[in-house]
Parts: sequence; C-alpha cells; structure tokens
Amino acid sequence: AQKITQTQPGMFVQEKEAVTLDCTYDTSDQSYGLFWYKQPSSGEMIFLIYQGSYDEQNATEGRYSLNFQKARKSANLVISASQLGDSAMYFCAKFSTGGGNKLTFGTGTQLKVEL
Amino acid sequence: SQTIHQWPATLVQPVGSPLSLECTVEGTSNPNLYWYRQAAGRGLQLLFYSVGIGQISSEVPQNLSASRPQDRQFILSSKKLLLSDSGFYLCAGDRGVETEAFFGQGTRLTVV
Repeated sequence: AQKITQTQPGMFVQEKEAVTLDCTYDTSDQSYGLFWYKQPSSGEMIFLIYQGSYDEQNATEGRYSLNFQKARKSANLVISASQLGDSAMYFCAKFSTGGGNKLTFGTGTQLKVEL
Repeated sequence: SQTIHQWPATLVQPVGSPLSLECTVEGTSNPNLYWYRQAAGRGLQLLFYSVGIGQISSEVPQNLSASRPQDRQFILSSKKLLLSDSGFYLCAGDRGVETEAFFGQGTRLTVV
C-alpha cells in the first residue's frame, strides 16, 4: 500500500511564529500530486496547497508553503506567522494513478496555536 | 465549482440495522469519488473509491459496501451495522492528479 506518514500527532506553536508539519510518503508512481488540507473542529475539509511531482519549485499560497524534497519523498507544510485561527487538524494527502486513481490521506497533525 | 451534497449530517442507528448514506455531485462530470471514515481525532481512512459508474474498489475488508449507480451518485451501505461502524463519514471527489478534492459536509454516525 502507498502510505502517507505524518509523524507528529500534535504540535504547539506560539502566535506569529512559523511551524513545520512533516509528511513523508511511499510511491512507485512517476506522476502524482501532493496536497495539504486543514480540518477545523467543524469537520469541513479546507484545501491549502498543492504540489505536483514534476513541479521543480516549491508551492506557495499566502502564509503556506510546501517544502518538497522528491528524492526523500517528503512534502512538509510550513505555516508562517501562525494565527489563532490556524488551530486545526492538518492532513497531507497524495493522489496516485498507479492501481487506479486514488486519493490517500495521512493520519493528521493536530496543531494548536497559543498566545 | 464542484460541490458534494451528503446527507444526513448526523445519524443514530441501532446495532444490526441497515445503513444507506448517499452523496451527489454537482458542477462536474466523471469525477473520481471516495468514501472515507474518520474516527474521533484520527486520520481519514479510505474505504472505497470509484473512477466511474459501477466501478468500485475497496481498500479494507469490512462490514460496508459502496455503489455508484450514476456518474454523480455514490452510496455507502451496510446490511447490519456494528458498534465499530461508528464514526465520521466523508464523501469526496476529484478530477485527477492536479486538482484539489471537494468534500461533502460529512455524516456523523453513531451505532448504539
């Protein structure tokens, strides 16, 4: 199975500080997509950022950036200038085409932003 | 834009009763569709995915089944619910490797 690993079940960060959420993945695909989603306590899933496997530059979206290291199969999310509203569950996900189109999620990291 | 309507939002069912959760897609055609289950405070476990009408792939053996009778309709079913089937069920869809997924609002199922 192509596994997504998020080794940090919980993280704390102070407001206005930067935080890195780790994600590593298995894959045998040549082409794949990596995503990060945010899930507040309401349960909705909010798309944050996307990185294609062939993209040479790291993706950025506002305060979110993705530190993509293809050889190491890692796609860490960096949130700069944390805000209280960033407190939520964060999921790394990978879209694979091998074995049929499939979107698989990691186990998630619960982030809490403190004053 | 693509949207998924998923219902009901909450459901309490007795052990041994049947289940049918439905989601319908608007705003796109021929999406990949997914059913996930999320235990409290945990990750999303992929249960089923479908790339087209009548095409269902199961990720884990379990007490549940899925069907896709129409392009924009995805149904999660069980003939007899177990206590362990309790959880938060999310229907999701996407259009391929470069597109972000779109999600339903989820169904919180409690089996009693």
